[in-house]
Amino acid sequence: GAVVSQHPSRVICKSGTSVKIECRSLDFQATTMFWYRQFPKQSLMLMATSNEGSKATYEQGVEKDKFLINHASLTLSTLTVTSAHPEDSSFYICSANEGTDTQYFGPGTRLTVL
Amino acid sequence: GQQVMQIPQYQHVQEGEDFTTYCNSSTTLSNIQWYKQRPGGHPVFLIQLVKSGEVKKQKRLTFQFGEAKKNSSLHITATQTTDVGTYFCADTSNTGKLIFGQGTTLQVKP
Repeated sequence: GAVVSQHPSRVICKSGTSVKIECRSLDFQATTMFWYRQFPKQSLMLMATSNEGSKATYEQGVEKDKFLINHASLTLSTLTVTSAHPEDSSFYICSANEGTDTQYFGPGTRLTVL
Repeated sequence: GQQVMQIPQYQHVQEGEDFTTYCNSSTTLSNIQWYKQRPGGHPVFLIQLVKSGEVKKQKRLTFQFGEAKKNSSLHITATQTTDVGTYFCADTSNTGKLIFGQGTTLQVKP
């Protein structure tokens, strides 16, 4: 089956620093990648949709200048949390599809901002 | 925007008992997908339902799509401890985005 990887799996950073999270589709080309965040015991909240070579589409209430998304190739999308603060601590999950309805999720990145 | 309501939020069952989680929407769902997320893990795709009234089975799991495509259910027969996790339904919008329900967390007591 299709595999999506995420790196890093865990990151702890100081307040004010920026953190980059990578999402890769390992055995397929992802026409679209999605970024979600999930707070403890809550559902997944879609942050943005990214298509290769174009600007990401952000959901309402998500600050595009704070959560920078780059989709440089059909197998790689990155999410950069800029000037991170403790309230940005969360579980960030990416997913990718290859043009069908099925999304394949990465293992997630747990971000802790001190 | 469209919302997908899922109930119950939590369910504790004794091993061997059955379990059902329900998804409802006030508007017609496009297709419904079901995911399972183990504690500390990420969502794993289980199945997609497309047709009105569709019923699909995967071993002890039975998935149903309502006739009006406004509700769906996942039923697990004779739960096992390996069934522990959070089950999410999601509507596949025509933009490719998934709209997730709140999830039902299942605990199984051995």
